[in-house]
Amino acid sequence: AQSVTQLDSQVPVFEEAPVELRCNYSSSVSVYLFWYVQYPNQGLQLLLKYLSGSTLVKGINGFEAEFNKSQTSFHLRKPSVHISDTAEYFCAVSVIGGNKLTFGTGTQLKVEL
Amino acid sequence: KAGVTQTPRYLIKTRGQQVTLSCSPISGHRSVSWYQQTPGQGLQFLFEYFSETQRNKGNFPGRFSGRQFSNSRSEMNVSTLELGDSALYLCASSVAGQSYEQYFGPGTRLTVT
Repeated sequence: AQSVTQLDSQVPVFEEAPVELRCNYSSSVSVYLFWYVQYPNQGLQLLLKYLSGSTLVKGINGFEAEFNKSQTSFHLRKPSVHISDTAEYFCAVSVIGGNKLTFGTGTQLKVEL
Repeated sequence: KAGVTQTPRYLIKTRGQQVTLSCSPISGHRSVSWYQQTPGQGLQFLFEYFSETQRNKGNFPGRFSGRQFSNSRSEMNVSTLELGDSALYLCASSVAGQSYEQYFGPGTRLTVT
């Protein structure tokens, strides 16, 4: 079975500051990795995904993430956040070729002026 | 292309009643997955349908069921509602059921009183 740990339930940050949201996973088989964002009263939107290849993945809205196999991590970063980035962020994994996503508990990013 | 649509968006039911939620996938998508989102348990996989067949099921009681029609639209049903069933129910669609290309709908907010 797979599991995902997002250690930070809330991350406050000032506008234009950099941010890192941490994600660690556990799996006995190879996995795909994802970051999703959820704005209030909305569904999930895919930010980026790691399937294979380069370990640095770039996504939408200026976000990027780095896959580290030895540390089983997939941390999300943005060099300069905006007020509009305030949302909840979910890290997720799936078995390669599988059809089920396993999510972490989410990190609430709050961007302040 | 229209996105994933879910109806209704909001629903209030009483304990013991049953409820049916509907999901229309993106045109051309044949796989539909359902997830439950609650503050306590987070995002949890319910089941996945592909070409009218349930291919995968999460760890939920038999009160939770679903089906998929020949046009790929899907419904999920919850019978004998309990207070703990109050949640946001999210539907996701993909072309062939691969998790790396799932697109989420806005969800149905179910409140059980």
